[in-house]
Amino acid sequence: GAGVSQSPRYKVAKRGQDVALRCDPISGHVSLFWYQQALGQGPEFLTYFQNEAQLDKSGLPSDRFFAERPEGSVSTLKIQRTQQEDSAVYLCASSLDAGTGRDTIYFGEGSWLTVV
Amino acid sequence: AQSVTQLGSHVSVSEGALVLLRCNYSSSVPPYLFWYVQYPNQGLQLLLKYTTGATLVKGINGFEAEFKKSETSFHLTKPSAHMSDAAEYFCAVSERGFQKLVFGTGTRLLVSP
Repeated sequence: GAGVSQSPRYKVAKRGQDVALRCDPISGHVSLFWYQQALGQGPEFLTYFQNEAQLDKSGLPSDRFFAERPEGSVSTLKIQRTQQEDSAVYLCASSLDAGTGRDTIYFGEGSWLTVV
Repeated sequence: AQSVTQLGSHVSVSEGALVLLRCNYSSSVPPYLFWYVQYPNQGLQLLLKYTTGATLVKGINGFEAEFKKSETSFHLTKPSAHMSDAAEYFCAVSERGFQKLVFGTGTRLLVSP
């Protein structure tokens, strides 16, 4: 597609509910990232994929957070038993190949999660 | 560990005035540096980036930034502000060879007529 596409754009979840956030990266992009942006803060790294391999998940805040990219394209971020502190914008980003460090990273518009 | 400090959570300028948004970084290795802009309810858009070479980097919409290693700074400037520049601006740093970005807390630019 023309850009990084995320769905849903807005999600309201009751505390304890499981949610799944989807990311469609730019076609042909090898690298995919998830970031979490709390209100009034900068984005914080969650996890990184190179094709289907999850190479870094050091930013996932707890074992309730899980990400996958089984076929090396679409990715899903899953949050189990949501809590109020999970309320944030979840940004997906992709690039041709993050290994060089030079490629431009393109961000999606984000999925806004509110836990009530 | 890498980090970014953006001085001033809000910066106000008049239309036509100079824009200066400050960014200082900390990195144990030569960094890659980025400025992103975020408009309301939208994702992040890359303004410019420094990887190697010329330390003065020109970006989109008339913005530029200068990498100053001695000052560990990467301040963003624009000679003349436009109303459409009003947005949130984020400075970010990454280690060379890997694009895990570490962002600052952002600076909201307000432009008055």
